[in-house]
Amino acid sequence: AQTVTQSQPEMSVQEAETVTLSCTYDTSESNYYLFWYKQPPSRQMILVIRQEAYKQQNATENRFSVNFQKAAKSFSLKISDSQLGDTAMYFCAFMINFGNEKLTFGTGTRLTIIP
Amino acid sequence: GAGVSQSPSNKVTEKGKDVELRCDPISGHTALYWYRQSLGQGLEFLIYFQGNSAPDKSGLPSDRFSAERTGGSVSTLTIQRTQQEDSAVYLCASTTVGRGLQETQYFGPGTRLLVL
Repeated sequence: AQTVTQSQPEMSVQEAETVTLSCTYDTSESNYYLFWYKQPPSRQMILVIRQEAYKQQNATENRFSVNFQKAAKSFSLKISDSQLGDTAMYFCAFMINFGNEKLTFGTGTRLTIIP
Repeated sequence: GAGVSQSPSNKVTEKGKDVELRCDPISGHTALYWYRQSLGQGLEFLIYFQGNSAPDKSGLPSDRFSAERTGGSVSTLTIQRTQQEDSAVYLCASTTVGRGLQETQYFGPGTRLLVL
C-alpha cells in the first residue's frame, strides 16, 4: 500500500516571498505519478503540478516548481513570489502507473499568504 | 459548463435517512471517481468507474454506501441509513483514460453532507 505524508499542517509566509511545502511518500512501485493539488475555500480541487517518476527533470509551472528526490521518496513544492490567491490547502497525491488509478492523498498543508 | 459538476452543493439530513449525491463528469471522460474528505483530513478513495468494466468498490467504508453510473456518464453515490460519521465533503473526479494509462483527475466542487 502507498502512503503519503505531509508533515506541515500549517504554514504562513509574507506576500512575494518563497515557500516550500514538504511531502514524502512510501511505495514499492517504480513507476508512478505525483501531484500537488490546491484546494481554496471554494472546495474546488485544482491541479497545481504533476511529476512522472521516470522523469529526472523537476516539473515547473510558472511560479510553482517541485524538488523530486526519487531515492529519498520526497516531493516538495516551491511557490515563488507568493500571492494572496495562493492561500489554500495544498495536498500532495500519489498514483501508481498501472491498474487502478486512484489517488492517495496526504493530509494537506494549510498555507496562508500574509499581505 | 465544461467542468465536473456535483449536486447538491450542501445537504443536511437526519441520522437514519438515505441520501443521494450526484456527479456529472466532463463530457467524454471515461473514468469517474468518488472521494470523501472528512474534516481536517485528506481525501479518501471510495469507488472508481471505468467504461463498462466492473467498478472498483474497494474504498467503500460499509455496505450502506453504494454507487452507480448510468450510461457511462452521470454517477450517483447513495448512502443509506446515514450516520453522523458520514458527515464529510464528497468529491467526484473524472479523467479521460482508464486502466493502464494515466491522466490528470479533474474534480468537482463537492457536496458537503451534514448528518444531524
